[in-house]
Amino acid sequence: GQQLNQSPQSMFIQEGEDVSMNCTSSSIFNTWLWYKQDPGEGPVLLIALYKAGELTSNGRLTAQFGITRKDSFLNISASIPSDVGIYFCASSGGSNYKLTFGKGTLLTVNP
Amino acid sequence: NAGVMQNPRHLVRRRGQEARLRCSPMKGHSHVYWYRQLPEEGLKFMVYLQKENIIDESGMPKERFSAEFPKEGPSILRIQQVVRGDSAAYFCASSADSYNSPLHFGNGTRLTVT
Repeated sequence: GQQLNQSPQSMFIQEGEDVSMNCTSSSIFNTWLWYKQDPGEGPVLLIALYKAGELTSNGRLTAQFGITRKDSFLNISASIPSDVGIYFCASSGGSNYKLTFGKGTLLTVNP
Repeated sequence: NAGVMQNPRHLVRRRGQEARLRCSPMKGHSHVYWYRQLPEEGLKFMVYLQKENIIDESGMPKERFSAEFPKEGPSILRIQQVVRGDSAAYFCASSADSYNSPLHFGNGTRLTVT
């Protein structure tokens, strides 16, 4: 089946630093989504991307849908302690509801 | 996560028992999806339902698992004769449509099979 390669697996950063994570795939996708999951909670949608090349921001978060439609990145600027959590990329091909998820990037922010 | 309600939050069952997981979608959403998350893994699609209809169950095991979304009431994911390998977090999501609207997830039910 389709797979997403998400990297890095984990990151330890200092408060105030910028963060970058990405997802790649051998398949072409129509949609890229970025979710954040806190312990014991469900994933919360951060950014949704629907067009190749699209660059979208949500506060300190910026994400881009790669031109090849096979990758996406998420940047977090000026990190704060509440950014701690697991960040998942997710994408879909034909059916928007059948999402394929990456394995997640665990972010730890040291105050 | 506001709006998609799942219960119970935690469920413990012994091997061979039945597990029933409930999900009420966000107000105004008629499309419901169930995903399963194993430890340290991403979520995996199981089934997509609209009111009284199963649209896509391609991700659901053929045996012991069933799902419904009746005309009235919440969507139910039922696992019969649970085994230890069924231990996971089960997430429900809902959307306004299945084409352009992103999925919004609930907080999940964590099933532990002892």
